[in-house]
Amino acid sequence: AQSVTQLGSHVSVSEGALVLLRCNYSSSVPPYLFWYVQYPNQGLQLLLKYTTGATLVKGINGFEAEFKKSETSFHLTKPSAHMSDAAEYFCAVGKGKGNKLVFGAGTILRVKS
Amino acid sequence: GAVVSQHPSRVICKSGTSVKIECRSLDFQATTMFWYRQFPKQSLMLMATSNEGSKATYEQGVEKDKFLINHASLTLSTLTVTSAHPEDSSFYICSVPPGTDNSPLHFGNGTRLTVT
Repeated sequence: AQSVTQLGSHVSVSEGALVLLRCNYSSSVPPYLFWYVQYPNQGLQLLLKYTTGATLVKGINGFEAEFKKSETSFHLTKPSAHMSDAAEYFCAVGKGKGNKLVFGAGTILRVKS
Repeated sequence: GAVVSQHPSRVICKSGTSVKIECRSLDFQATTMFWYRQFPKQSLMLMATSNEGSKATYEQGVEKDKFLINHASLTLSTLTVTSAHPEDSSFYICSVPPGTDNSPLHFGNGTRLTVT
């Protein structure tokens, strides 16, 4: 069975500061891992994904994440936060065939000016 | 442009009525679509898998008779919330897998359902 834990339901950073959103997963099979962003009353937009290959994955809007098997982690980072990054972020692990996803509880990112 | 179109974006209905939500795949044919539900300040929970030409597969704890799913064509799936109650108020999101198992899902923009 798969599960996802996102540490910190709310994260607050200053504009220009490093963004770090934590995600740990549990999976009985090699995982497919995703980060999505959600703006209020909207669907989810894919930021990046890890399936196989390079463990450092680069996504849109300057975000990246590193798959660390030994730590069962897939933390999301961005070197310099922008006001437009304020949103809710979801980490997800692929659950079997057909792209069923198990989502973490989400982390709301607040960016202070 | 949008890959998945979900309609309506918002709906308010009275208790006891039924509400239909449509999810359309715009760019490709989809034999499978997923319906998620998101409670306020919570994560997305998979409700069911919509299968074109066959019955939907529901997750444990989801009432089949309450949430009717019809995958009428390769580009359209509908979710009907029957005899809605205030506790059914939620954000419903559909998603479409574009192809292979490890491909990321495309999500609709969601439907905010409020039952009064």
